[in-house]
Amino acid sequence: DAKTTQPNSMESNEEEPVHLPCNHSTISGTDYIHWYRQLPSQGPEYVIHGLTSNVNNRMASLAIAEDRKSSTLILHRATLRDAAVYYCILFQGAQKLVFGQGTRLTINP
Amino acid sequence: DTGVSQNPRHKITKRGQNVTFRCDPISEHNRLYWYRQTLGQGPEFLTYFQNEAQLEKSRLLSDRFSAERPKGSFSTLEIQRTEQGDSAMYLCASSPPLRLNTEAFFGQGTRLTVV
Repeated sequence: DAKTTQPNSMESNEEEPVHLPCNHSTISGTDYIHWYRQLPSQGPEYVIHGLTSNVNNRMASLAIAEDRKSSTLILHRATLRDAAVYYCILFQGAQKLVFGQGTRLTINP
Repeated sequence: DTGVSQNPRHKITKRGQNVTFRCDPISEHNRLYWYRQTLGQGPEFLTYFQNEAQLEKSRLLSDRFSAERPKGSFSTLEIQRTEQGDSAMYLCASSPPLRLNTEAFFGQGTRLTVV
């Protein structure tokens, strides 16, 4: 399973942008970059995914490096409800999602 | 559609007892996954079904664990002769056919405590 590396924890302030990094230097050409988050006492929740181009949706933006060896999940204006563990996962669709430790994001009021 | 439903939400059992959990996926999702999550860790893959066929099983799924999806709809996960190390959150997820989307939808999990 292709591996990703994320910081164990990050902290930000409410209403400020948050940039969550992910390194995936061994990514293959067919790996999609998926992000999920897990709120306290909840199952994981899909956030966004991309292949090569940057992606935007109502929850977040995903910026993918040109060489695809890293990506950044961007929360444009963090709220207290964004406090969660964020997982960056390489996924080929026909396989299972393999979760790492993720980044625990704390949002300060 | 109310999403992926898991029952029960909580289960406390004595060591050595058998337990069974149920997962009802989102309708028309042909892919179904089971994961286990312990405190402070990311979810660990247990097994994967496509329709009624169990296509992959993790080494974590010892012979005390069995999962079924008899008609390609709901799924059950049974743990026989439970041990304290089985205490964890058991998560179920479902996905639509690959041609439609690759996103997985998770239930809220069943928390198992073995005493």
